[in-house]
Amino acid sequence: DTGVSQNPRHKITKRGQNVTFRCDPISEHNRLYWYRQTLGQGPEFLTYFQNEAQLEKSRLLSDRFSAERPKGSFSTLEIQRTEQGDSAMYLCASSLEGFSDAYEQYFGPGTRLTVT
Amino acid sequence: GESVGLHLPTLSVQEGDNSIINCAYSNSASDYFIWYKQESGKGPQFIIDIRSNMDKRQGQRVTVLLNKTVKHLSLQIAATQPGDSAVYFCAESRRVVRDDKIIFGKGTRLHILP
Repeated sequence: DTGVSQNPRHKITKRGQNVTFRCDPISEHNRLYWYRQTLGQGPEFLTYFQNEAQLEKSRLLSDRFSAERPKGSFSTLEIQRTEQGDSAMYLCASSLEGFSDAYEQYFGPGTRLTVT
Repeated sequence: GESVGLHLPTLSVQEGDNSIINCAYSNSASDYFIWYKQESGKGPQFIIDIRSNMDKRQGQRVTVLLNKTVKHLSLQIAATQPGDSAVYFCAESRRVVRDDKIIFGKGTRLHILP
């Protein structure tokens, strides 16, 4: 257990529905990252936050995806009008930036999304 | 495009032997490299990292080697144990420009033979 938690762990939804995932990072970590991982592949970067500011978004993050970190603590990732191609593991990671030389990203267990 | 890749999708090693997992990266601007271990149903777990100003770094039972000339990274696991069975990813980022996103390769599945 890295200290990063994600909920739910599994989500099955029908195509066209909206889903929202939550990530709770390690409490003192100021950076939070979202990645997506499909079967047999490495995780792919989606977006990241420094405190509440969203600093970068991948072009993988279509208009149907939105992420927030309103108070600089937990984050949510919403997918609107889900498509079968959205089926994947959504991983969250957090790190502490700027205070030491250690900037390891700690990953949560992921939320597995299945779109039927 | 910029990517980090691994040479072998699977590797089988006898328990007790040393394992060597290789990785080639393509972005010469990358200055920070990480090895992650991912067990089934879990998120990636940090194993060891190395900066581009180093060519070797050792941890507990693991050693990472970096050859910037040929853009090659390797992970050596000493005395491989059944608990080492997992998928191993090499990954890169560019710390000097504060580009924190990690670019992962495709992974090597390590099988431990009894």
